[in-house]
Amino acid sequence: GENVEQHPSTLSVQEGDSAVIKCTYSDSASNYFPWYKQELGKRPQLIIDIRSNVGEKKDQRIAVTLNKTAKHFSLHITETQPEDSAVYFCAASIKGTNAGKSTFGDGTTLTVKP
Amino acid sequence: DAMVIQNPRYQVTQFGKPVTLSCSQTLNHNVMYWYQQKSSQAPKLLFHYYDKDFNNEADTPDNFQSRRPNTSFCFLDIRSPGLGDAAMYLCATSFRPSGANVLTFGAGSRLTVL
Repeated sequence: GENVEQHPSTLSVQEGDSAVIKCTYSDSASNYFPWYKQELGKRPQLIIDIRSNVGEKKDQRIAVTLNKTAKHFSLHITETQPEDSAVYFCAASIKGTNAGKSTFGDGTTLTVKP
Repeated sequence: DAMVIQNPRYQVTQFGKPVTLSCSQTLNHNVMYWYQQKSSQAPKLLFHYYDKDFNNEADTPDNFQSRRPNTSFCFLDIRSPGLGDAAMYLCATSFRPSGANVLTFGAGSRLTVL
């Protein structure tokens, strides 16, 4: 089955700096890669996603890049703010198979220091 | 607002005493999932329903069962909770086929086992 590895497990940055979180996946058939943000005590919420036919996607301060050949994808947050502090999970899934189950990475705890 | 609602938000039970957690959705999504999330870990898929078809993960203990009486509702039954079952249980939904496996999570039910 799919295996998703996520690094780093914790990340601390100063407000205004950039943060990068990286994930690798094992199944070359995976074609959908979402990122979820989970604030303390709250539900995971989708913040950005990318499909395998796209190399990069950007939404304001957040961007995701995908390298299909190397089987890795990354989340980039620029101009970080304290409210970006949360746990971030990457995931991978295969469109069209068995309801497209998502396999999650182990999460990255991001702390943005004011 | 269309959403995924979980009840109860907090459940305390005794070792071995059965528990039922509920999930309802107004999104008219055809897929419903149950995830177990322990502290600082990624959500772990227990099982999911694709319409009426039940899909159990290979490593989900027999202690966990699920029911989906209709499109809107799904239940998680823990027949004999052990201390190791204390966790946050997250219900999620998605719509297939849609080309992407975007998950909408409920707020979760936190289970404490005494």
